[in-house]
Amino acid sequence: DAGVIQSPRHEVTEMGQEVTLRCKPISGHNSLFWYRQTMMRGLELLIYFNNNVPIDDSGMPEDRFSAKMPNASFSTLKIQPSEPRDSAVYFCASSLSLGTVGDEQYFGPGTRLTVT
Amino acid sequence: RKEVEQDPGPFNVPEGATVAFNCTYSNSASQSFFWYRQDCRKEPKLLMSVYSSGNEDGRFTAQLNRASQYISLLIRDSKLSDSATYLCVVNSGSNTGKLIFGQGTTLQVKP
Repeated sequence: DAGVIQSPRHEVTEMGQEVTLRCKPISGHNSLFWYRQTMMRGLELLIYFNNNVPIDDSGMPEDRFSAKMPNASFSTLKIQPSEPRDSAVYFCASSLSLGTVGDEQYFGPGTRLTVT
Repeated sequence: RKEVEQDPGPFNVPEGATVAFNCTYSNSASQSFFWYRQDCRKEPKLLMSVYSSGNEDGRFTAQLNRASQYISLLIRDSKLSDSATYLCVVNSGSNTGKLIFGQGTTLQVKP
């Protein structure tokens, strides 16, 4: 079975450039989550969707970050313009539901972003 | 106070040892509890869900104490391949679907 798919796996870009990260959740999962992980701050939830609708974006650090989910099988996280402090591993995860049954999340392999 | 607190370790144990990790959580409304495992430079992977009655999966046993808001993970007969960071995870309650991750406990199993 295909798990959560993320692309690219690695991204190196210069400060000021636009970065787009992509995610395909597990088929049949209704909820999708974007996380960021750094050594200093650990795993941080940025935003999550249920049935393609954003539910909570309070974790998005600032207006430079935006996320979309145009359909049940695709989501993007965009950073424009990127800054060196955005360097981190960005994970996408999906779950069957937001209820207490089926809320375990399955993570993609992550995108390692380096902004120079 | 952090919502989910874990001893970061590292725990250095010899092969074959039994090791236990503990975790406390602050939100009494939390309903779902998990242990995830994360290897270096990899994604977190679900190790096991934690049920009120306690549950076992091979060498791994998880326990939940709702009154004390405390979760534990016991690993018996440690293998070298158990070396990883173990993340204690609870949901934020109220069917929001949000999971709160602890900072993780690092385990290093040595030959």
